[in-house]
Amino acid sequence: GAGVSQSPSNKVTEKGKDVELRCDPISGHTALYWYRQSLGQGLEFLIYFQGNSAPDKSGLPSDRFSAERTGGSVSTLTIQRTQQEDSAVYLCASSTWDSSNQPQHFGDGTRLSIL
Amino acid sequence: QKEVEQNSGPLSVPEGAIASLNCTYSDRVSQSFFWYRQYSGKSPELIMSIYSNGDKEDGRFTAQLNKASQYVSLLIRDSQPSDSATYLCAVPRRDYKLSFGAGTTVTVRA
Repeated sequence: GAGVSQSPSNKVTEKGKDVELRCDPISGHTALYWYRQSLGQGLEFLIYFQGNSAPDKSGLPSDRFSAERTGGSVSTLTIQRTQQEDSAVYLCASSTWDSSNQPQHFGDGTRLSIL
Repeated sequence: QKEVEQNSGPLSVPEGAIASLNCTYSDRVSQSFFWYRQYSGKSPELIMSIYSNGDKEDGRFTAQLNKASQYVSLLIRDSQPSDSATYLCAVPRRDYKLSFGAGTTVTVRA
């Protein structure tokens, strides 16, 4: 079966541009998470969607970051006016509805480089 | 106190040896525990889930859980160079997020 799919796999853009990163979770998974991982660092939680509930945005580092999830499936993470410190791998993960006891499954990530 | 703590690395073991990875967690009511493997430049991959006290074996991997001691470990038997990676311990929080340990980097020497 298909896993979590992320696109693009790599993105290089100039400072100040906006970028959109896409995540398609595993079919049937209602919980979706975005993380950021800088080189050699741990996973930084960004945002969490669960079904139709309001998302948990507590990890978004600034108001330049936003995310939406349409139809309870595909999610888009948008970074406006990108800065060099935004360079990182952005990972998406999904899990079943009972995400308190179920593991998250990760996509391959989008490697974002800001010039 | 950090929510999830792992033994500091890096851990270097000879090929064929047992690699032992340790993890402690702070929330006594945690019910499930996960080990992820992350190769350099790749995303985390789930390799083991454990929910009950005791041992759980899957191939060369054995997870051990002791809820009374708030301790979970991962043993890699007959370590292979392909096991060289960073291993992340993860524990679900009550707000449905996962708390990850900082990871232990394992290098298996051929």
